[in-house]
Formats: sequence, structure tokens, C-alpha cells
Amino acid sequence: DVKVTQSSRYLVKRTGEKVFLECVQDMDHENMFWYRQDPGLGLRLIYFSYDVKMKEKGDIPEGYSVSREKKERFSLILESASTNQTSMYLCASNGQGGYNSPLHFGNGTRLTVT
Amino acid sequence: ILNVEQSPQSLHVQEGDSTNFTCSFPSSNFYALHWYRWETAKSPEALFVMTLNGDEKKKGRISATLNTKEGYSYLYIKGSQPEDSATYLCARNSGYKLSFGAGTTVTVRA
Repeated sequence: DVKVTQSSRYLVKRTGEKVFLECVQDMDHENMFWYRQDPGLGLRLIYFSYDVKMKEKGDIPEGYSVSREKKERFSLILESASTNQTSMYLCASNGQGGYNSPLHFGNGTRLTVT
Repeated sequence: ILNVEQSPQSLHVQEGDSTNFTCSFPSSNFYALHWYRWETAKSPEALFVMTLNGDEKKKGRISATLNTKEGYSYLYIKGSQPEDSATYLCARNSGYKLSFGAGTTVTVRA
């Protein structure tokens, strides 16, 4: 069965800390995505990657960076966490077919920045 | 319509009753429409990806229709059960991005 695993379910960090959110998929998918979900808003795309070492900015990349050194792993980095980055973060992947192919999501990481 | 909109935001339905709700989206630059079910404490799960005007898809008691000319899709739940309680998300592929609606949260009352 297809699996996307996010390293932490809940995370509490202090303002100014550097935060790493890890995501691993076991489906050999080319495309991986990071979204954040906030109440009343749809999922918003932060960054995506269509290949190892490749990355593209999504709709809200400010304050974030990403790393994809291996095909199965896509990391989201908050360079200096701020309270407005408190949110639910979802990682997803899909294979060939681009956005016509369904996304497979992880369980999410609920990050609180204090 | 400029963005993907879902209505209603939430609804309550009695167990055994049927229900439906709407996803509206810009009809231009349409490539596909996705539906996902997101249960509490779980990951969003893909239900359907629909590409053609007039498409109808079914998975168990859940079905969806698509009208790309007028820019809307309906999701139907027949004979709602408690396990259908979830947030249902739709997303539109415009060719270069997937834009999500805010979701419709369905609560099935026993």
C-alpha cells in the first residue's frame, strides 16, 4: 500500500528556531509537495519538487526552504520560525500524470510556534 | 468565480439520509477536478480525479459529477453512515497548479 510518512505528528518550537519537517514516500514518486492548512482556507502550496535536487516555489514560499537530496525524501525547512507559521503541514506525492494524478498525503504535522 | 469554492462549509446529516454538496471553480483552463476525504487524525485520501465534462464517478455510496462548462462538481453521499463523517476537499488542476477549496465538513448523526 502507498505510504507517505511525516516524521512528527505534533511539534512545538520557539520563535527564531530553525525547524525541519521530514517527509518520506515509498512509492518511487517523482513529484513531492508541501502544503499548509489553516482554518477556513484551502490547502496552500509552499514548495514542490519534480525530481531529485529540483524545487519550485508554490503560492506561499516566503520563510520556507526545501531540500530533496534523495527521491524518497522531501524536507521542509523553516529558517527562523515565526508565530504566523503555526499551522498544519501536509506532505504529498504523486507519480507521472502531474496534477491529473491523485495526491497521496502524509498524516500531517501540527506545528506550534511560541 | 476566481477561486475554488465549496459550499456549504459544514453540514449535519442524520444516519441513513443522503446528502450532497458543491465545488465551484473557474471553468477556464480546466484540466482535472480532484475530490479528497479527510477524516480526523488521518491523511487526506483521494476519492476521484475527473477530467471530462459530464463525468460521473462512484465509489461505494459516494459519487461525483462534473460540469466543466459551468464550473461545478457535486459530491453525493447515499445513505450516510457515521464513518462518512469527514472533511471533503475538492481541488482544480489548471494545468500548472492544483488549487484547493476550503472543504465541506460532514457530520453524520446516529
